[in-house]
Amino acid sequence: AQSVTQPDIHITVSEGASLELRCNYSYGATPYLFWYVQSPGQGLQLLLKYFSGDTLVQGIKGFEAEFKRSQSSFNLRKPSVHWSDAAEYFCAVGAMGGNKLVFGAGTILRVKS
Amino acid sequence: EAGVAQSPRYKIIEKRQSVAFWCNPISGHATLYWYQQILGQGPKLLIQFQNNGVVDDSQLPKDRFSAERLKGVDSTLKIQPAKLEDSAVYLCASSLNPTWESPLHFGNGTRLTVT
Repeated sequence: AQSVTQPDIHITVSEGASLELRCNYSYGATPYLFWYVQSPGQGLQLLLKYFSGDTLVQGIKGFEAEFKRSQSSFNLRKPSVHWSDAAEYFCAVGAMGGNKLVFGAGTILRVKS
Repeated sequence: EAGVAQSPRYKIIEKRQSVAFWCNPISGHATLYWYQQILGQGPKLLIQFQNNGVVDDSQLPKDRFSAERLKGVDSTLKIQPAKLEDSAVYLCASSLNPTWESPLHFGNGTRLTVT
């Protein structure tokens, strides 16, 4: 069964600084990988996804993520964080041919001015 | 397009009471999901519908939880009787079809507090 680990529960960065949120997954084959963002009181919004091909994927709001098979990782990055990026970020993995999306526990991002 | 609608936004009940949540998916979306998000955890799939049929309910506590999707559109999730550990946000999501190429669209959720 697939699983997702997000090692950082909280991360604080200064506005304008770069950001990297870590995600490690466990799955026997090539997974479908996703990053979602959740603002307080809101549902989850898809930032980006990886299915195959180029291992560096671009998403909305200036985010990108890189799939590294050798490290079983799919880290989310942003070169310059804005105060509006403060939210909770979830990494998720879906099995090929399956229909169950498994989420990590999330990383809460705080942005200080 | 209108998003996924959920109601109520908040609900407080005492343990052993019953509660129901309602979801209206995006028009034309055949696949509907209910997720449970406990504080400090990621969402966990409770049940998935394809039109009005159940695709996966393996993680639904069937002794107390039930869900239906009559006519393949709106859905209701019911808990009877509620336990303290059911306190969570219940998220409804929908997608055009059950493939990963079809993104999930989430509602804003219903926050349930069981006292």
